[in-house]
Amino acid sequence: DTGVSQDPRHKITKRGQNVTFRCDPISEHNRLYWYRQTLGQGPEFLTYFQNEAQLEKSRLLSDRFSAERPKGSFSTLEIQRTEQGDSAMYLCASSPPGDRKAEAFFGQGTRLTVV
Amino acid sequence: DQQVKQNSPSLSVQEGRISILNCDYTNSMFDYFLWYKKYPAEGPTFLISISSIKDKNEDGRFTVFLNKSAKHLSLHIVPSQPGDSAVYFCAATLPQFYFGTGTSLTVIP
Repeated sequence: DTGVSQDPRHKITKRGQNVTFRCDPISEHNRLYWYRQTLGQGPEFLTYFQNEAQLEKSRLLSDRFSAERPKGSFSTLEIQRTEQGDSAMYLCASSPPGDRKAEAFFGQGTRLTVV
Repeated sequence: DQQVKQNSPSLSVQEGRISILNCDYTNSMFDYFLWYKKYPAEGPTFLISISSIKDKNEDGRFTVFLNKSAKHLSLHIVPSQPGDSAVYFCAATLPQFYFGTGTSLTVIP
């Protein structure tokens, strides 16, 4: 399977704990995006990388959120001191360079529940 | 600040007829527009895109139309099939993607 892979698929955590999610993009894709989606809403942009450089962060991304893509391949999204409002589906997407750069392919998502 | 809007939360269409999903946007700097299809508990699946320099793109049963003067995007599905039933999101890129809130399409057999 050469699609975007996210791990874990589901995570239940207690309020105040830290969580980390992993995303493995499609191998030739240089752009990687993180989104968050809550019920009844479209995906909301969090941040994106071009290779290993984090080019933009949304204002939604508070200081408790950090994302890395150390070698320009996989990426991690960490949430520190989780709050109940962080409960959502976290989606990762990647897109190729060149003419198809706008075609982002999404992973299955990580469903986070903060209790 | 919703830059991409889908004003119809749901749409029902008879099998074999045309489905038309609409989307409006506010930012004239968007360079690509896309449609995604989403099933519950899955990530969105890319369907079709259009560059801001074009006004139509067709791929099989799916056609996307772009009206830049009206800042309006539409997706036509002809003929509609029951398997098309899903939530459809339009998106626009800057290059980060901005999504609408989705339209739930039900195709009735």
